Amino acid sequence: GQQVMQIPQYQHVQEGEDFTTYCNSSTTLSNIQWYKQRPGGHPVFLIQLVKSGEVKKQKRLTFQFGEAKKNSSLHITATQTTDVGTYFCAGIENSGYALNFGKGTSLLVTP
Amino acid sequence: GAVVSQHPSRVICKSGTSVKIECRSLDFQATTMFWYRQFPKKSLMLMATSNEGSKATYEQGVEKDKFLINHASLTLSTLTVTSAHPEDSSFYICSASRGGNGEKLFFGSGTQLSVL
Repeated sequence: GQQVMQIPQYQHVQEGEDFTTYCNSSTTLSNIQWYKQRPGGHPVFLIQLVKSGEVKKQKRLTFQFGEAKKNSSLHITATQTTDVGTYFCAGIENSGYALNFGKGTSLLVTP
Repeated sequence: GAVVSQHPSRVICKSGTSVKIECRSLDFQATTMFWYRQFPKKSLMLMATSNEGSKATYEQGVEKDKFLINHASLTLSTLTVTSAHPEDSSFYICSASRGGNGEKLFFGSGTQLSVL
């Protein structure tokens, strides 16, 4: 079955540094979504990418979907303490019906 | 944004008892709801897909008789953990989508189940 792998598992940065998490799927995806889960909270939808090579920005966050639609990345510029949390990618394969989540990248930002 | 309400947020029960968790979409109709299980510092593992008015679709390895899912209306799905055991202790979280498969998910706040 489809597997979604995400790296790194953990990342500890100083406030102001950049951060990137990568997501790779074993199969081609129809779309990929990113979620953020704050400590003690529930996952919250950030964005959905559908098109091959798509790039979307949300303020300091940049999301990319690979040309082959099998990988994606989330880049945060100049991290802030409010960025702390676990970032999950989730993809659905072309013939699939439900989102499969990566294991997430836990980001810790220290002032 | 859409709101999904999940209750209870925390439950402690004795081994052998059953626990029901409710998931409601408050401001939209959810034809499909998903139930996930999350272990500490781990990812969300899809347990089952719940479609209104039909039987749930369970993922491989998830016991149907153990985790009973009912999606009786377009705004309510329930997960009942039957004859709970300590190994069932986990964080259970539901999600719902407005549309069909592949649509973005709105998550409930989760239920922390502790079985003694």
